[in-house]
Amino acid sequence: GQQVMQIPQYQHVQEGEDFTTYCNSSTTLSNIQWYKQRPGGHPVFLIQLVKSGEVKKQKRLTFQFGEAKKNSSLHITATQTTDVGTYFCAGQRGNNRLAFGKGNQVVVIP
Amino acid sequence: DVKVTQSSRYLVKRTGEKVFLECVQDMDHENMFWYRQDPGLGLRLIYFSYDVKMKEKGDIPEGYSVSREKKERFSLILESASTNQTSMYLCASSDPGQGYGNEQFFGPGTRLTVL
Repeated sequence: GQQVMQIPQYQHVQEGEDFTTYCNSSTTLSNIQWYKQRPGGHPVFLIQLVKSGEVKKQKRLTFQFGEAKKNSSLHITATQTTDVGTYFCAGQRGNNRLAFGKGNQVVVIP
Repeated sequence: DVKVTQSSRYLVKRTGEKVFLECVQDMDHENMFWYRQDPGLGLRLIYFSYDVKMKEKGDIPEGYSVSREKKERFSLILESASTNQTSMYLCASSDPGQGYGNEQFFGPGTRLTVL
């Protein structure tokens, strides 16, 4: 079945620095979603990208969908302690299901 | 606001016991999902339901069954719990009527320990 790979799996980021997390698929995706899970919490939807080459911003977060619709990235600038957590990407499968990546666990160093 | 609730945050059971995990959503969503989450493995789909009494196997259905008798409620059943089913279980719901906007809303999770 469709698989979505995320790299890196873990990141330690100094507060104030920028970082990027990547999501890759072996097949073309109809759309991609990003979720964030805080430590001890549950995944919460951040955004959905649908169009080839789409770029969306949410304050310090920039989401991109690749031209071929096989990859996506999340870039966070000026990292804050509130950015700690695990970021998941998920590609749409048939029947309204999602294929989740394994996540990128981000630790913020004050 | 969509609310997805799960019957327990923490559960401890013994090997061989029958375990019921309940999930309720209050937004009239047609789709409901059960995932398990293990360190380093991400979210793996156990079962999915797209309507009352309808279900589909996910990626790891072995050892589990589900029940959806009412639209708002989706139950996960471990017929005979085993230690390798110790995990965090997450329920989610979504509305297929949103076009591409099939974001999933997650419950708080149930951390199940099987001794």
